[in-house]
Amino acid sequence: RKEVEQDPGPFNVPEGATVAFNCTYSNSASQSFFWYRQDCRKEPKLLMSVYSSGNEDGRFTAQLNRASQYISLLIRDSKLSDSATYLCVARTRGSNYKLTFGKGTLLTVNP
Amino acid sequence: NAGVTQTPKFQVLKTGQSMTLQCAQDMNHEYMSWYRQDPGMGLRLIHYSVGAGITDQGEVPNGYNVSRSTTEDFPLRLLSAAPSQTSVYFCASSYSGMAGETQYFGPGTRLLVL
Repeated sequence: RKEVEQDPGPFNVPEGATVAFNCTYSNSASQSFFWYRQDCRKEPKLLMSVYSSGNEDGRFTAQLNRASQYISLLIRDSKLSDSATYLCVARTRGSNYKLTFGKGTLLTVNP
Repeated sequence: NAGVTQTPKFQVLKTGQSMTLQCAQDMNHEYMSWYRQDPGMGLRLIHYSVGAGITDQGEVPNGYNVSRSTTEDFPLRLLSAAPSQTSVYFCASSYSGMAGETQYFGPGTRLLVL
């Protein structure tokens, strides 16, 4: 089983829709979690870190459930510019320098 | 700041050729790493460095060498290219590599091995 697994997608939604991405991790020693965004043929860029209490940044909300080993990203009022691949990322305690990436979920927001 | 820069942007090699992918950062980051990204596989860590003179293997190190003689530069060497090394290679850096830090990625090098 892959250490970080995401919804396979792709997701196609209309502008203004709310979309949720799910991610699970198998290593209970995973300590820190992130969502990265990757535009087509570009490098990944950090979208949000994910905190235990959940955190919000504008239209984006990230949540972490350690008991279920589950991370989510909610995008409200989606824009055309949100079209990208969203990568779920985990860092394992004791492997401070190593990030484990999910395969990513492609989102296309349609006019 | 230029951030993280990578050269070349594109490269075509023949099987058995060697080459070096260059990576440089001007943010005085201690931690640097190399990833490869293949369709359906996600990013996988090849090698990383926590400071000048210190390197270690990641998840998929075979066929690649690295060195870190300066804080700024972290080149990745392909010793004898194979078609399985066709991929997009990303270099990344962060201040210390510790939990919670943002990783800054370079624009990537697209490599095709024939």
